[in-house]
Amino acid sequence: GAGVSQSPSNKVTEKGKDVELRCDPISGHTALYWYRQSLGQGLEFLIYFQGNSAPDKSGLPSDRFSAERTGGSVSTLTIQRTQQEDSAVYLCASSGQGNQPQHFGDGTRLSIL
Amino acid sequence: QKEVEQDPGPLSVPEGAIVSLNCTYSNSAFQYFMWYRQYSRKGPELLMYTYSSGNKEDGRFTAQVDKSSKYISLFIRDSQPSDSATYLCAMSDHNQGGKLIFGQGTELSVKP
Repeated sequence: GAGVSQSPSNKVTEKGKDVELRCDPISGHTALYWYRQSLGQGLEFLIYFQGNSAPDKSGLPSDRFSAERTGGSVSTLTIQRTQQEDSAVYLCASSGQGNQPQHFGDGTRLSIL
Repeated sequence: QKEVEQDPGPLSVPEGAIVSLNCTYSNSAFQYFMWYRQYSRKGPELLMYTYSSGNKEDGRFTAQVDKSSKYISLFIRDSQPSDSATYLCAMSDHNQGGKLIFGQGTELSVKP
């Protein structure tokens, strides 16, 4: 598996439930990004991890959203008390050191009923 | 006004045509410019990655960046039905950690 891996590929849940989305970046990539893609808003940055530095959380839309990256590899994006407007495709990307381009996974398609 | 503007299309061309896709932007701090291709229900796939102004060619694809006009382009020569996808421009200022700002995407259809 050479690419970015995301799971689950699809998630349907009821409004008010919590969800966890997982991202496994390309091996050796130090930077990891989460984006959200929705029909009305296009692709929007959510959060960025680089090595051991504090994450850049400037794109998170509310305090219901959080993310962590364990051991500098796998990342989990958590959405608490989901709302219908959270329905979107959540994409993860990773990149190598220096000014390397980002490579994306196929995303998790989240639907809130 | 969005930081990056991209005509959403849809754009329909016959097979073999030359396709021109464009984006304009407002932030002069952007240094890195990318084009991604996205097929339905898939993640964006990197096509071209350029730094600052100039041209870059890769097979049937040519990317152009004009920082003075804040304008970037992607040209596809001899377009094929397999090129039918949504094309996203993206750019970043690495002083901001490399987070990408995307255009809305242009939906392209190449008819056989």
